[in-house]
Amino acid sequence: EPEVTQTPSHQVTQMGQEVILRCVPISNHLYFYWYRQILGQKVEFLVSFYNNEISEKSEIFDDQFSVERPDGSNFTLKIRSTKLEDSAMYFCASSGQGLQETQYFGPGTRLLVL
Amino acid sequence: SQKIEQNSEALNIQEGKTATLTCNYTNYSPAYLQWYRQDPGRGPVFLLLIRENEKEKRKERLKVTFDTTLKQSLFHITASQPADSATYLCALPNSGNTPLVFGKGTRLSVIA
Repeated sequence: EPEVTQTPSHQVTQMGQEVILRCVPISNHLYFYWYRQILGQKVEFLVSFYNNEISEKSEIFDDQFSVERPDGSNFTLKIRSTKLEDSAMYFCASSGQGLQETQYFGPGTRLLVL
Repeated sequence: SQKIEQNSEALNIQEGKTATLTCNYTNYSPAYLQWYRQDPGRGPVFLLLIRENEKEKRKERLKVTFDTTLKQSLFHITASQPADSATYLCALPNSGNTPLVFGKGTRLSVIA
């Protein structure tokens, strides 16, 4: 069964450093998302991406964040200058038909900012 | 914006019993509502989607109801097993077709 994959599974970085989290969505899906989950808290929406552009973003997704689909298979989330409060699990998700369809989540990248 | 309450943070039940989890939302009624399962350190796994014009949906031992008058969804697992132990998340769109807002989840423990 097709699945969303994410790399790396864990990332440790120093405050102020840039990180890039990578995702390979399910191949025939058209909508891509990033969510995050701070330890012990709920899953929070960051950004959705369709047709090579951002379709919606939350208040969390400020100028420090950017997304890209560089080559038709990968979908990346970049955090330009990490802060301590960026420490969280970051989940990529994809869906086939749109926002009203099931979203399939990857296993997540655990980011720790020191 | 939409607010979701899953009113039990944790629920312990005996193996073989039916687990019932509750999801309440506060604002407008969404076009659909979804339930996900999340195991520790893992991503949410989709279980069921129910649309606003559906009262009930079933999948194997799972059943979801959607009451737009009460602004509530109930999620049932019948004949529960220890392998059903996980956190169950309710999710629905914030407004219109916007991406999902998740509840904090209910951590279910099925005791053998």
